[in-house]
Amino acid sequence: AQKVTQAQTEISVVEKEDVTLDCVYETRDTTYYLFWYKQPPSGELVFLIRRNSFDEQNEISGRYSWNFQKSTSSFNFTITASQVVDSAVYFCALKNTGTASKLTFGTGTRLQVTL
Amino acid sequence: DAGITQSPRYKITETGRQVTLMCHQTWSHSYMFWYRQDLGHGLRLIYYSAAADITDKGEVPDGYVVSRSKTENFPLTLESATRSQTSVYFCASRATGGGYTFGSGTRLTVV
Repeated sequence: AQKVTQAQTEISVVEKEDVTLDCVYETRDTTYYLFWYKQPPSGELVFLIRRNSFDEQNEISGRYSWNFQKSTSSFNFTITASQVVDSAVYFCALKNTGTASKLTFGTGTRLQVTL
Repeated sequence: DAGITQSPRYKITETGRQVTLMCHQTWSHSYMFWYRQDLGHGLRLIYYSAAADITDKGEVPDGYVVSRSKTENFPLTLESATRSQTSVYFCASRATGGGYTFGSGTRLTVV
């Protein structure tokens, strides 16, 4: 069985603060993929990143960065200098390598960025 | 337009009614999925399909029926809607070895 835990239900920060969203996963597979999605107030799911289990390099994309640590089964997401437009629900997800490769989602973290 | 389309965007139905949510993709992706999103639960898989005429249950299949007679369509039917099925439903597709694309969602309210 696989599981994704996002322990932070809601986070509030003031604009320009840095914020880290935690994601801890469980899987028996040795090959798997981890994802982050953003769901803004408009409701659609926006793909942010996919990382496979063999690539532990951290990734940076503008103000976004991701820290993948297999030793702690974590795939944390940091937003540097947060902006109001970052306000959204963020989901971490795990894909196994089974036939259908289903995505298993965490429960999401709601980020509220205020002025 | 290319992409994945869900219809309707919003639906209100009465308890006990049958309702079908539609999902159409233009890429001929092999895999299609139905998820429901509820507060405190994130997105949970209802049903998925690996190809036309091949479907299988996900985490929360009870009360739902799917079919996939054509690769591009993957309708989800609530045979007898209940209030607990009030949710936002997302359809997704994926090509073999590819990423996931989600539809815009259908907000279903059962009264």
